[in-house]
Amino acid sequence: ETGVTQTPRHLVMGMTNKKSLKCEQHLGHNAMYWYKQSAKKPLELMFVYSLEERVENNSVPSRFSPECPNSSHLFLHLHTLQPEDSALYLCASSQSTSPGQGGGYTFGSGTRLTVV
Amino acid sequence: AQSVTQPDIHITVSEGASLELRCNYSYGATPYLFWYVQSPGQGLQLLLKYFSGDTLVQGIKGFEAEFKRSQSSFNLRKPSVHWSDAAEYFCAVGTGTASKLTFGTGTRLQVTL
Repeated sequence: ETGVTQTPRHLVMGMTNKKSLKCEQHLGHNAMYWYKQSAKKPLELMFVYSLEERVENNSVPSRFSPECPNSSHLFLHLHTLQPEDSALYLCASSQSTSPGQGGGYTFGSGTRLTVV
Repeated sequence: AQSVTQPDIHITVSEGASLELRCNYSYGATPYLFWYVQSPGQGLQLLLKYFSGDTLVQGIKGFEAEFKRSQSSFNLRKPSVHWSDAAEYFCAVGTGTASKLTFGTGTRLQVTL
């Protein structure tokens, strides 16, 4: 399997649930990213992992907790979410820790999250 | 810090017509520039990228873009649009050291038959 794979594709969860989103890349890339895409809003960068270390956290609420156990896997752990957290969550990877120089991102297909 | 502006939120063109989507960037040095396309409910797919050299860049699906340093622009073009090109298009800029790309707000393309 190649590219960036995100699971699940769709997730419906209650506000008291705990769930996790998974992202896996088989490209040998060195950086991974979580983005949030809400309707009628710009792409929001949530977290950046470079060589398995978190290098950026864009003021994301603590109910979102990322984990990068190795260079191929990235998780986003979710707990006590709010309805406004409903969105498309996109994972991306980059060959270089400077993605501009490294040819940009490869995106997964996203997880459509609905919080009820 | 770098920034990207896509002035057109929504564009409608007829099938077979030409297309130009605008992108302006702000960055002090030579940027790395990208165009991505997103179909509904999907991730973003890279159309083309500019690093250096020839300012006219060819991409997939018949798209091209031209880097104009004097205008700080990187507009996306296609000579003849197909109905399947209806999607959202994002311009992005990167630098040699930044740990992320900076995206524009996107332009939604509608194609009428």
